[in-house]
Amino acid sequence: DTGVSQDPRHKITKRGQNVTFRCDPISEHNRLYWYRQTLGQGPEFLTYFQNEAQLEKSRLLSDRFSAERPKGSFSTLEIQRTEQGDSAMYLCASSLEAEHNYGYTFGSGTRLTVV
Amino acid sequence: KQEVTQIPAALSVPEGENLVLNCSFTDSAIYNLQWFRQDPGKGLTSLLLIQSSQREQTSGRLNASLDKSSGRSTLYIAASQPGDSATYLCAVVKGSGGYNKLIFGAGTRLAVHP
Repeated sequence: DTGVSQDPRHKITKRGQNVTFRCDPISEHNRLYWYRQTLGQGPEFLTYFQNEAQLEKSRLLSDRFSAERPKGSFSTLEIQRTEQGDSAMYLCASSLEAEHNYGYTFGSGTRLTVV
Repeated sequence: KQEVTQIPAALSVPEGENLVLNCSFTDSAIYNLQWFRQDPGKGLTSLLLIQSSQREQTSGRLNASLDKSSGRSTLYIAASQPGDSATYLCAVVKGSGGYNKLIFGAGTRLAVHP
């Protein structure tokens, strides 16, 4: 296992189209996170899974966004009816639940450009 | 609400200088703090993780300290090199309703010139 994988690396889409991103976490990690990062800013939390359960969603995650993690393995993030404001880097991270020993491993991200 | 601030926002130094990057957070009740490096257009690479019970961590030319009571962490880079040029992000782990997540600062953009 070489780390957290994200696919695709880059996505250009027209406004109004739907897009889906995939994240494969480190296999033994039971926690998976999605973050969004815009230019010049730090990543912002979107949502979080423990195994297959989605336990928290940010207010940034509008109704057009949906995330799943079937069977507690890989996760998908779908954006419906994309808008130009959705253009950002979407980052996935995973961690192993342990007593206060959390370390997060991030993937390389998916760069979304909405034109 | 936890807020993380990084100072300076940008830094340009000649090769060989020792550097200090600063991170402050408003709520001292954190589980741990993690420093990351991000190259342009890339994902995040973990540099150092400091648990709440620790005061510092070291890896090679990097040393990170944590003072929970004052809400501060510093990342010290010794003998900087052009390859250190990147954005450095500080993030704290803060529980929310029992579940933990990283809260990031906006980063310090570092340029080391030969």
